[in-house]
Amino acid sequence: GAVVSQHPSRVICKSGTSVKIECRSLDFQATTMFWYRQFPKQSLMLMATSNEGSKATYEQGVEKDKFLINHASLTLSTLTVTSAHPEDSSFYICSAPSGTNYGYTFGSGTRLTVV
Amino acid sequence: ELKVEQNPLFLSMQEGKNYTIYCNYSTTSDRLYWYRQDPGKSLESLFVLLSNGAVKQEGRLMASLDTKARLSTLHITAAVHDLSATYFCAVSGGTSYGKLTFGQGTILTVHP
Repeated sequence: GAVVSQHPSRVICKSGTSVKIECRSLDFQATTMFWYRQFPKQSLMLMATSNEGSKATYEQGVEKDKFLINHASLTLSTLTVTSAHPEDSSFYICSAPSGTNYGYTFGSGTRLTVV
Repeated sequence: ELKVEQNPLFLSMQEGKNYTIYCNYSTTSDRLYWYRQDPGKSLESLFVLLSNGAVKQEGRLMASLDTKARLSTLHITAAVHDLSATYFCAVSGGTSYGKLTFGQGTILTVHP
């Protein structure tokens, strides 16, 4: 089945630095990638939607200059958290339509800790 | 704005018992999803419900969809400890592969 590989699975960074998270579709073409953030004990909140070759669409309240999304190819979408702060510490998950039966495939998630 | 509400948010069950998790949503949608999440892990797809009256079953879990009532249920039969997890329902916003709006999640704990 469709697989989205997400890396890294865990990252600890210092406050003020940037972190890049990658999501690759391994056996299908992901023209769209959804990026979610999940704080502990909470639900998934959509941050942005990226489409290959065009600018990402950000949800209300999400800073597009802080969370940079690039979707330059049909198999790779990246999220860069710039100038990270402790409040950015969260679980980030990407998801793409899997192309079968209206399903979605989720990456394995990235646990970001900013110290 | 599409809203998705689950209840209960916390569910403590004894092994062998039955229970139902409810998912209500606020606007018309024909696609509803159920996911399982284990601690520290990403989402595992359980069911995709695509039409009114859809019913799907896998093992001890059965999901149904009533689009007229804007309600989906996830029924647990004879719960076992391995079912302990957080369960989310999610609704698609209308376009063919639109963004998903998630419910708050139901934390299920199954006790011996």
